[in-house]
Amino acid sequence: GEDVEQSLFLSVREGDSSVINCTYTDSSSTYLYWYKQEPGAGLQLLTYIFSNMDMKQDQRLTVLLNKKDKHLSLRIADTQTGDSAIYFCAEMRGTYKYIFGTGTRLKVLA
Amino acid sequence: DAGVIQSPRHEVTEMGQEVTLRCKPISGHDYLFWYRQTMMRGLELLIYFNNNVPIDDSGMPEDRFSAKMPNASFSTLKIQPSEPRDSAVYFCASSVGQVSDEQFFGPGTRLTVL
Repeated sequence: GEDVEQSLFLSVREGDSSVINCTYTDSSSTYLYWYKQEPGAGLQLLTYIFSNMDMKQDQRLTVLLNKKDKHLSLRIADTQTGDSAIYFCAEMRGTYKYIFGTGTRLKVLA
Repeated sequence: DAGVIQSPRHEVTEMGQEVTLRCKPISGHDYLFWYRQTMMRGLELLIYFNNNVPIDDSGMPEDRFSAKMPNASFSTLKIQPSEPRDSAVYFCASSVGQVSDEQFFGPGTRLTVL
């Protein structure tokens, strides 16, 4: 299908790890991205991964890419209340045509 | 830098009225994008420009929507006539021009069409 799919909601306790999953569609996507949207704000880039990589780590964030299954995940270690937001994965189709996922609303419980 | 600037932040209008949303990209950014966000459809790319030229407008819903970029520092998205189903948050974003580059999003315009 055309859609980039994510689960809608995730709830975790403060200090636990969060794993947000995404299934994309275009096997030729060069870059895959994770964006964060806080309430009332626009999206902000968290990290991206080049398609020839399997994993990328950036402080508390770990991105895993399974190209065979077209599966992308974002792991947030030691999740904090400030991490509560909507997280979007995105793929680039063609030149500069970003397709965003449906978004996963992460709620961190104190 | 002030980031991407959008105006107005909120717009309430009646069905049939013309609506104009405005965007000022970050200086030096060659690409400008317009998105629409709704609960039902998520975040949709409407159109994007490179060096003020529209490159892909396949996401524009219908002829009621039009976008222009008369210069490198200003773009508009116009809806005429507006309909209740156009109610959404409209985001403008800009980027430098490298494939891996971040898109910088504005704060969005929340449009409500009554």
